[in-house]
Amino acid sequence: NAGVTQTPKFQVLKTGQSMTLQCAQDMNHEYMSWYRQDPGMGLRLIHYSVGAGITDQGEVPNGYNVSRSTTEDFPLRLLSAAPSQTSVYFCASSRTASYGYTFGSGTRLTVV
Amino acid sequence: KQEVTQIPAALSVPEGENLVLNCSFTDSAIYNLQWFRQDPGKGLTSLLLIQSSQREQTSGRLNASLDKSSGRSTLYIAASQPGDSATYLCAVNGSGGSNYKLTFGKGTLLTVNP
Repeated sequence: NAGVTQTPKFQVLKTGQSMTLQCAQDMNHEYMSWYRQDPGMGLRLIHYSVGAGITDQGEVPNGYNVSRSTTEDFPLRLLSAAPSQTSVYFCASSRTASYGYTFGSGTRLTVV
Repeated sequence: KQEVTQIPAALSVPEGENLVLNCSFTDSAIYNLQWFRQDPGKGLTSLLLIQSSQREQTSGRLNASLDKSSGRSTLYIAASQPGDSATYLCAVNGSGGSNYKLTFGKGTLLTVNP
């Protein structure tokens, strides 16, 4: 099994550009989430989904959109990139809350 | 709002020592607690998952305990090795009835010296 796959691994954007961070899992997990990790702030929840067609906001959702059209994929869209969105982004999935979460290897995003 | 604190923030030990990492959380109504390891520039690797009804979990040289009523968990590493050097993160799942959100501590940076 590939687990949770994130692409790209690295990305540099200019302020105002848009892009989509991809996340796919092959474990048939219902729960999927996006976190960002910043020095001194730890990991914070951006958006989450508890199944196909169901998404909701986490702790720091501003500037990001998500959708979940399939069980496997949960893309994160940056609408108009800002330097404050420079961070490492992690996607995670879980079969249910009882099973714990599996994380992807991350996307390191720099906005200049 | 759930808050998770990890102490110490950094720890340096000689190889072979047994050590304890601490995690505390403010809202005891959690679903479960998960310990992760993160190597520099890498993703998170799950080490142990403890359900709210459990007291401890063991995997090899690792043992994690949970005292939900006091809001505390410890990760015990026996006979530490240089390969154990990494950042260890504690995450609690669920607060206020939600079971979809992990709240993370800021981690303990462990260095095991040969």
